Amino acid sequence: KQEVTQIPAALSVPEGENLVLNCSFTDSAIYNLQWFRQDPGKGLTSLLLIQSSQREQTSGRLNASLDKSSGRSTLYIAASQPGDSATYLCAAPSGSARQLTFGSGTQLTVLP
Amino acid sequence: GAGVSQSPSNKVTEKGKDVELRCDPISGHTALYWYRQSLGQGLEFLIYFQGNSAPDKSGLPSDRFSAERTGGSVSTLTIQRTQQEDSAVYLCASSAGGGLEQYFGPGTRLTVT
Repeated sequence: KQEVTQIPAALSVPEGENLVLNCSFTDSAIYNLQWFRQDPGKGLTSLLLIQSSQREQTSGRLNASLDKSSGRSTLYIAASQPGDSATYLCAAPSGSARQLTFGSGTQLTVLP
Repeated sequence: GAGVSQSPSNKVTEKGKDVELRCDPISGHTALYWYRQSLGQGLEFLIYFQGNSAPDKSGLPSDRFSAERTGGSVSTLTIQRTQQEDSAVYLCASSAGGGLEQYFGPGTRLTVT
């Protein structure tokens, strides 16, 4: 059974800092891994999807890496802005349906 | 193009009543997933549809929960005889196929009083 863990649970940084969010998973036989953003009271917004054959995926100031052998993924946010404040979730597919197993999230606050 | 939509956005119901939650996936997406997000439980998988078939119902918490999908499009999640522990946000996601990138709707917040 896939288990996903995210560290830290919460993070507060001043505007402009670069930061790294961590995600680990127990079953390395994954097809891909997705990072999401969730704003309070809202649904999930897909940020990046990394295929198992990739090591990195970039979108704007976001860069996600995937190391299947160690069961880890990181989300790097460059030059953080107050608008980046949200909860960030990573999720790995598992089971025959490839349903997503989610971590508990990292609540990010970027202080102006 | 239009994303995943869900209705209602909020639902307050009395304990013991039945509720229906609706999901409209992205047009052309064959895979549809229901998840539940509740305090203390995080996000948990409920059921998966490929077309109109539900090969994986393993996440449904009890036989009070059921779901159907018609025309390979709209899906309805029904909860019978609601209980207070059913209070949560119910999220729907669709993808072009099982295992591909999932896109989520805004969710339905269910409150059982």
